[in-house]
Amino acid sequence: NAGVMQNPRHLVRRRGQEARLRCSPMKGHSHVYWYRQLPEEGLKFMVYLQKENIIDESGMPKERFSAEFPKEGPSILRIQQVVRGDSAAYFCASSPKGPGSPLHFGNGTRLTVT
Amino acid sequence: SQQGEEDPQALSIQEGENATMNCSYKTSINNLQWYRQNSGRGLVHLILIRSNEREKHSGRLRVTLDTSKKSSSLLITASRAADTASYFCATDAWGSGNTGKLIFGQGTTLQVKP
Repeated sequence: NAGVMQNPRHLVRRRGQEARLRCSPMKGHSHVYWYRQLPEEGLKFMVYLQKENIIDESGMPKERFSAEFPKEGPSILRIQQVVRGDSAAYFCASSPKGPGSPLHFGNGTRLTVT
Repeated sequence: SQQGEEDPQALSIQEGENATMNCSYKTSINNLQWYRQNSGRGLVHLILIRSNEREKHSGRLRVTLDTSKKSSSLLITASRAADTASYFCATDAWGSGNTGKLIFGQGTTLQVKP
């Protein structure tokens, strides 16, 4: 059973470009969470999605960031018009049951904005 | 501010010694979880302890929870060089909409010297 797959592992974007981060949850998992980690810091919650629905986006910046988890295909975290402050590691996690369950994390996408 | 605060920030011990890490949090919780992160990788779930539990064991790991003091500790016994990693506590805060979103502490960096 493959783990949570994130791609790309590394992504370099110039200021103003768009970044698209993909996450395929573990087989059978319909709950997806996105977290952001700045260097030497813990993870900060961004958004929680179930298939086709955003359940909690309280950690998402109001502008430029969006997330989706379509019926078919991976979850996508999209950052428009990236700025240097968006440079971070973005982790996706999935669980089979949602709240109260341990999370299974991918190895992250490291975004560098130049 | 962060819900979870770990102590110490960094810990260096010899192989075979025990390692204890502490976590304090601010609000009532549904559960508290410990995760491990190796450099450049995603987080791996270690143990979940519910708010009505006081102690839990898993192999060489022992977790305690004191809800009156809003604190938890992770004990790793007979440490090995392979235990070298960062360890994070994460709380599923009660009243957070029951979305299962976790609030992570800053982490404890453990180095086990062979």
